[in-house]
Amino acid sequence: QKEVEQDPGPLSVPEGAIVSLNCTYSNSAFQYFMWYRQYSRKGPELLMYTYSSGNKEDGRFTAQVDKSSKYISLFIRDSQPSDSATYLCAMSADSSASKIIFGSGTRLSIRP
Amino acid sequence: SAVISQKPSRDICQRGTSLTIQCQVDSQVTMMFWYRQQPGQSLTLIATANQGSEATYESGFVIDKFPISRPNLTFSTLTVSNMSPEDSSIYLCSVTGGSLSYNEQFFGPGTRLTVL
Repeated sequence: QKEVEQDPGPLSVPEGAIVSLNCTYSNSAFQYFMWYRQYSRKGPELLMYTYSSGNKEDGRFTAQVDKSSKYISLFIRDSQPSDSATYLCAMSADSSASKIIFGSGTRLSIRP
Repeated sequence: SAVISQKPSRDICQRGTSLTIQCQVDSQVTMMFWYRQQPGQSLTLIATANQGSEATYESGFVIDKFPISRPNLTFSTLTVSNMSPEDSSIYLCSVTGGSLSYNEQFFGPGTRLTVL
């Protein structure tokens, strides 16, 4: 079993829809949870960073962590074509970025 | 944030040859990492490049196949040696620490390698 599982998609939704992206994990030591966005032919960039359980909102993006279920989500409201990218969940057991485990990424396409 | 460049951006190589990929950062960083990203797969950490000492390799990766140099705090190279088609992948460097946040890895744009 992989430490981090993520549905690869692709996921295609119309512009303006709410998007839900999810990951499950098996290692209960993970405390720090991230979402990276990767545009085609670019490196990943950090989108959201959360610690432990709960919600964090940043503009149209909300990251949600449920440690009891070992399940994390990223919600995108009012999705835009510019949100079309691959989204990778990532997590680590400590606050330093030296040992991050990445999901395989979900490819998202927003149709105008 | 940081400006991270990688050279080459892409290459097509013949089986049995070697390719050296460069990673340059515009500020001094503590840690530099090399990843491999294959289609539909997670980012897989190859090694951590240590300034002034030998790189730390992850399970399944060895120095003879992926020699790494890090001569200073802003530059590193990864060589893919004796290549086979299975080495076809995107290779990414990332950095953290120093003048950057320690909580985040900043990635370069990647090098797309195809081995024939």
